[in-house]
Amino acid sequence: GDSVTQMEGPVTLSEEAFLTINCTYTATGYPSLFWYVQYPGEGLQLLLKATKADDKGSNKGFEATYRKETTSFHLEKGSVQVSDSAVYFCASKAAGNKLTFGGGTRVLVKP
Amino acid sequence: GAGVSQSPSNKVTEKGKDVELRCDPISGHTALYWYRQRLGQGLEFLIYFQGNSAPDKSGLPSDRFSAERTGESVSTLTIQRTQQEDSAVYLCASSSRTANNQPQHFGDGTRLSIL
Repeated sequence: GDSVTQMEGPVTLSEEAFLTINCTYTATGYPSLFWYVQYPGEGLQLLLKATKADDKGSNKGFEATYRKETTSFHLEKGSVQVSDSAVYFCASKAAGNKLTFGGGTRVLVKP
Repeated sequence: GAGVSQSPSNKVTEKGKDVELRCDPISGHTALYWYRQRLGQGLEFLIYFQGNSAPDKSGLPSDRFSAERTGESVSTLTIQRTQQEDSAVYLCASSSRTANNQPQHFGDGTRLSIL
């Protein structure tokens, strides 16, 4: 079945550091790929998405590129802020209707 | 409302009791999903509704779990004879279509604690 694997956290960074969260997927067909974010005390929010190979999703300074050859969708941000502290979830949506989520990566940015 | 609304936000109940969780999707969204998020884990798919089609129940963990939806409106998730392993945050999401590229919009969830 479909699956999503992302790096385990927590990831602790200093402000203005570079952030990468690795995500790889297995799926039948050609899935759409998503990153969701869950800030402390808040619900799950869509951060960005990419629907086909080589697409780049971007939002709030975050980027992720759909790499079909490596089945990856790594999330990056060049300079993190304290307000980026959250749990980040990678997800895929292929044939069928459900999202398949990774286990989540907690990111803590220290001032 | 503007977003997906879930109630109650928190529910504490004794083992063996039945619970009902409610989800009000974004107006006009035809697809509705239920997920479960256990502490420190990712989201597990439970059930999906699309219009008047038969729901996809493939993620329901046992026959104690059931869900209903009337048309394209409110959905209720019912857990009968609750067990401690049912403790989790139950999340509802809706989307405007079921195409792969349509994102799902999530509610804030119901945190269920079984004593």
